[in-house]
Amino acid sequence: AQSVSQHNHHVILSEAASLELGCNYSYGGTVNLFWYVQYPGQHLQLLLKYFSGDPLVKGIKGFEAEFIKSKFSFNLRKPSVQWSDTAEYFCAVNGGASGTYKYIFGTGTRLKVLA
Amino acid sequence: SQTIHQWPATLVQPVGSPLSLECTVEGTSNPNLYWYRQAAGRGLQLLFYSVGIGQISSEVPQNLSASRPQDRQFILSSKKLLLSDSGFYLCAWSVDYPSTDTQYFGPGTRLTVL
Repeated sequence: AQSVSQHNHHVILSEAASLELGCNYSYGGTVNLFWYVQYPGQHLQLLLKYFSGDPLVKGIKGFEAEFIKSKFSFNLRKPSVQWSDTAEYFCAVNGGASGTYKYIFGTGTRLKVLA
Repeated sequence: SQTIHQWPATLVQPVGSPLSLECTVEGTSNPNLYWYRQAAGRGLQLLFYSVGIGQISSEVPQNLSASRPQDRQFILSSKKLLLSDSGFYLCAWSVDYPSTDTQYFGPGTRLTVL
């Protein structure tokens, strides 16, 4: 079955700490991968995406993610977090046999950054 | 620029009552439209998507239905709400060109069924 797993449900970090949020997917065929972020009181918005090419993708606000096909993973990283990164982060996948309309989202990771 | 509206923002309904949530998009034509439900600890669950007027694909069998009476209008309905329908409902849109990549989400509707 198609699925996306985010193993870290809640993460608490101090400012300047490094961040890595795990995302693993189970999805047949060629996939497109996404990270979305929801800041407190704001709409869900795209952080970064991978379609093809360089498996290391850079997004907004210093975030990056690496697609490792052999591990079915698309982990999100940031070398030094800020208080303003406090938000909920969602990994998502589409593509494959289901096409690009059907998105599968993970359960989300709530990140709290302590000032 | 494109904007997406959802209303109402919050809704409290008794079990067995009907439901109608509306989503409209401005600033784009022939968008792909989506309804998601976000439940605590369960992420976003795709409920319906539509690639055109009158074209609805259902992802999860349930007592909810969706309709797209106009190009930029997407409605989520129920004839009789269940307690399990409580949640946060998000509407989103995307376009086919250049690709159906980025989804743009609305502000959501918090539904509580009592």
